Amino acid sequence: DAGVTQSPTHLIKTRGQQVTLRCSPISGHKSVSWYQQVLGQGPQFIFQYYEKEERGRGNFPDRFSARQFPNYSSELNVNALLLGDSALYLCASSFGLAKNIQYFGAGTRLSVL
Amino acid sequence: GENVEQHPSTLSVQEGDSAVIKCTYSDSASNYFPWYKQELGKGPQLIIDIRSNVGEKKDQRIAVTLNKTAKHFSLHITETQPEDSAVYFCAPAWTQGGSEKLVFGKGTKLTVNP
Repeated sequence: DAGVTQSPTHLIKTRGQQVTLRCSPISGHKSVSWYQQVLGQGPQFIFQYYEKEERGRGNFPDRFSARQFPNYSSELNVNALLLGDSALYLCASSFGLAKNIQYFGAGTRLSVL
Repeated sequence: GENVEQHPSTLSVQEGDSAVIKCTYSDSASNYFPWYKQELGKGPQLIIDIRSNVGEKKDQRIAVTLNKTAKHFSLHITETQPEDSAVYFCAPAWTQGGSEKLVFGKGTKLTVNP
């Protein structure tokens, strides 16, 4: 069975640009969460989507946005990139909104130059 | 706000020894306590979890113990092997508006020396 898949695996952008990251959840899972992991730190929660609606948001600026599609895949968008946005962006899928195990993808490594 | 502290930040053991990692959290409403293992170049992988109605859970060489009164839980790995070398994260869950987010500690880098 396919796990959580994320694309691309690596990405290099320059300051001020915009980026879109993609995530496909495990088949049957309806919830997708996004996390940012800065080097040497634990992942930090950005968003949770369930049934195409935003259900939770972490302490991130409005430059970060996301959406979930009818097939439950998701995109994370970051506008006006800053050097500090360089990180590993992780997607996690779960069956439901709460009380479900979150399974993580391998992440997208974003470097902002 | 949510506060999660994890200790130690690094841990080096000899193969066959036991390893213990501790995590404390601030929100008494948390009721789900997972541990994740992250290897280089990979996403976090759930290795064991426990819910608040249980005090201890064991899966072969791995166990988790929970003390809700003291707001801490611990990961125990026995008979460590070199392949256990990785970064381990505790990630107690916070519920907000019906959704559930994981709040990760800063991680413990475990090195198992052959």
